[in-house]
Amino acid sequence: DIVMTQSPRSLPVTPGEPASISCRSSQSLLHNNGYNYLNWYLQKPGQSPQLLIFLGSNRASGVPDRFSGSGSGTDFTLKISRVEAGDVGIYYCMQGLQTPTFGGGTKVEI
Amino acid sequence: QVQLQQSGPGLLKPSQTLSLSCAISGDSVSTNSAAWNWIRLSPSRGLEWLGRTYYRSEWFNDYAESVQGRISINPDTAKNQFSLHLHGVTPDDTAVYFCARGFGVVDVWGQGTAVIVSS
Repeated sequence: DIVMTQSPRSLPVTPGEPASISCRSSQSLLHNNGYNYLNWYLQKPGQSPQLLIFLGSNRASGVPDRFSGSGSGTDFTLKISRVEAGDVGIYYCMQGLQTPTFGGGTKVEI
Repeated sequence: QVQLQQSGPGLLKPSQTLSLSCAISGDSVSTNSAAWNWIRLSPSRGLEWLGRTYYRSEWFNDYAESVQGRISINPDTAKNQFSLHLHGVTPDDTAVYFCARGFGVVDVWGQGTAVIVSS
């Protein structure tokens, strides 16, 4: 299985300030179709995970442009340009190149 | 808009079988362009993918090694839903279970079912 490693595990943030989460995979997630099979999710308190970013850098429908994904191969980053109070929760990366595996999560709190 | 609605019991005793269903609206379990997954979340394991079923001219299943041998995921085309059966549960199977759609990208999740295994 591909192992996914996220950092940091906990991220205190300040509204209006930027934030960044890193995700590394034990194998390259670059498919020969040119896409990186790396997705980002946010699980808000009491809710199911929701898709934020898919295939490395594509925002899901309805996701504000404050969220962006970047990276290729084995190193990926999720950035929030200006954190809002509603962004708190646990962020997960997930690889979909093989049978899915998830990072351990990053808890974002104000 | 695709929605997934989960159902099933939330309290089990050790050695029993966990059975959950996931009803699909807005898509078909027989689609050639998606897979239907079960994923769980626990404090000890985090998010853990358990398995999936999908149709590509015939039905396929993939299962996680951690539950191989005691899991089955089955489509029900008549009801447009799919189910999870996990046999011989232990307290270590206590978690919130989610059904979800996707192959490569998991984009729609069910509401989650809290399952507790306790004697």
